[in-house]
Amino acid sequence: DAGVTQSPTHLIKTRGQQVTLRCSPKSGHDTVSWYQQALGQGPQFIFQYYEEEERQRGNFPDRFSGHQFPNYSSELNVNALLLGDSALYLCASSLEQGGEKLFFGSGTQLSVL
Amino acid sequence: GENVEQHPSTLSVQEGDSAVIKCTYSDSASNYFPWYKQELGKGPQLIIDIRSNVGEKKDQRIAVTLNKTAKHFSLHITETQPEDSAVYFCAASRGRDDKIIFGKGTRLHILP
Repeated sequence: DAGVTQSPTHLIKTRGQQVTLRCSPKSGHDTVSWYQQALGQGPQFIFQYYEEEERQRGNFPDRFSGHQFPNYSSELNVNALLLGDSALYLCASSLEQGGEKLFFGSGTQLSVL
Repeated sequence: GENVEQHPSTLSVQEGDSAVIKCTYSDSASNYFPWYKQELGKGPQLIIDIRSNVGEKKDQRIAVTLNKTAKHFSLHITETQPEDSAVYFCAASRGRDDKIIFGKGTRLHILP
C-alpha cells in the first residue's frame, strides 16, 4: 500500500518564477491538505482540497493556488516566487469519512534564489 | 484563529528517563489533539491523538493528557530510547472538517 508520494523531492527556482508541486494521496484517501514548513518551524496550513474543490484556506496570498484531480491527486502552484517561499512543502492526505488523521508525504524542498 | 503554543523547543533526556512536552491552545472549540513525530528528511507521522471527551490516552510508552478547562495537553514518553530522538509537534483542530494547526515543535534528544 503506497503512502503519500510527492514530487519532485527537491527544487531550485529563482525569484519571480512559478513552480508546481505534485502529490498522490494514500490509497483510498480522498482529501488532500498542503502545508508549508519553514526551517525549524511547525507546518503551516495552506489549503485543503476535497471533491476537486478548495474547502479551506490558511493565511496565504493568492500566489498560492491548487488543484485536485478526479483521481484525488493534487497540485500546488506558487506564482511570482519570493525568497521567503523557500521551505519544505508537505502534502497530507486523509479520508473525509474517516476523521481527521493526516498522513504526510516526505515533502518537496523548495529553494528560491 | 487557533493558536497552538508548544514548549520546550528543545529537550534532552537520558536514555531510559521520561520526557514531557506541553502545549496550550487558544480556541475553546478545538476538540481533536494529535501528536506528530518528524524524523530527519521525512514528513510528520501521527503517533497518538486524543479527543476532547477523553482526559487521557495511552499507547505503550506514549501517553497524552488533556485538560480542557485549562486548554492544556501534554505528551509523555516513558523509558526513552535512542529511536525516540526526533522533532515532536502538537496540533489542534475543531474536528473533521477543520484544518489542523501545529505548534512550533520540540526537538527531543535522547542521550546515551
